[in-house]
Amino acid sequence: AQSVTQPDIHITVSEGASLELRCNYSYGATPYLFWYVQSPGQGLQLLLKYFSGDTLVQGIKGFEAEFKRSQSSFNLRKPSVHWSDAAEYFCAVGNPRGGGKLIFGQGTTLQVKP
Amino acid sequence: GAGVSQTPSNKVTEKGKYVELRCDPISGHTALYWYRQSLGQGPEFLIYFQGTGAADDSGLPNDRFFAVRPEGSVSTLKIQRTERGDSAVYLCASSSTDVNEQFFGPGTRLTVL
Repeated sequence: AQSVTQPDIHITVSEGASLELRCNYSYGATPYLFWYVQSPGQGLQLLLKYFSGDTLVQGIKGFEAEFKRSQSSFNLRKPSVHWSDAAEYFCAVGNPRGGGKLIFGQGTTLQVKP
Repeated sequence: GAGVSQTPSNKVTEKGKYVELRCDPISGHTALYWYRQSLGQGPEFLIYFQGTGAADDSGLPNDRFFAVRPEGSVSTLKIQRTERGDSAVYLCASSSTDVNEQFFGPGTRLTVL
């Protein structure tokens, strides 16, 4: 079955510290991969996406993610977290042959300590 | 306003009632999606339109749920005989093709009392 696992439900980091949010997926082939962020009362915003090519992708707000085929992982990283990064983060997979729907993980809530 | 809009932002109804939730996609986007997000969960796919037709409705939980997109733009999600378990945030997204980035609306929070 196709699924996305985000092992960490809740993460707390200090402002200025580095961040890594984990994402593992189960899919028949290499899917399209996405990270979205959702702030309270806001819609989902795309941080970055991987379709093919370079396995290290850069996104908005200083985020990056690395696709590792051997580990079926697509972990999100940021070298220095800002208080405004506190939000919920979702990893998602999509079908590279089309058909549009995304399968989301459960989400990781990021709390930033001053 | 270039984003996806959804109305109403909040809807409170009683068990057994009928509700309609509306989505206005980004102009020109041919693909439109509905998702449902329960508390503490990620969004779950409900239905996907390409133009006017439902290309994939495999996520609709039962026949109380129905969605239309008659002119290939605005979409309405319809829920009959609402149940308390239908309470959730209903998200709409659109994209210019079915493999591109999906742009999400702010959602409609449905509460069934």
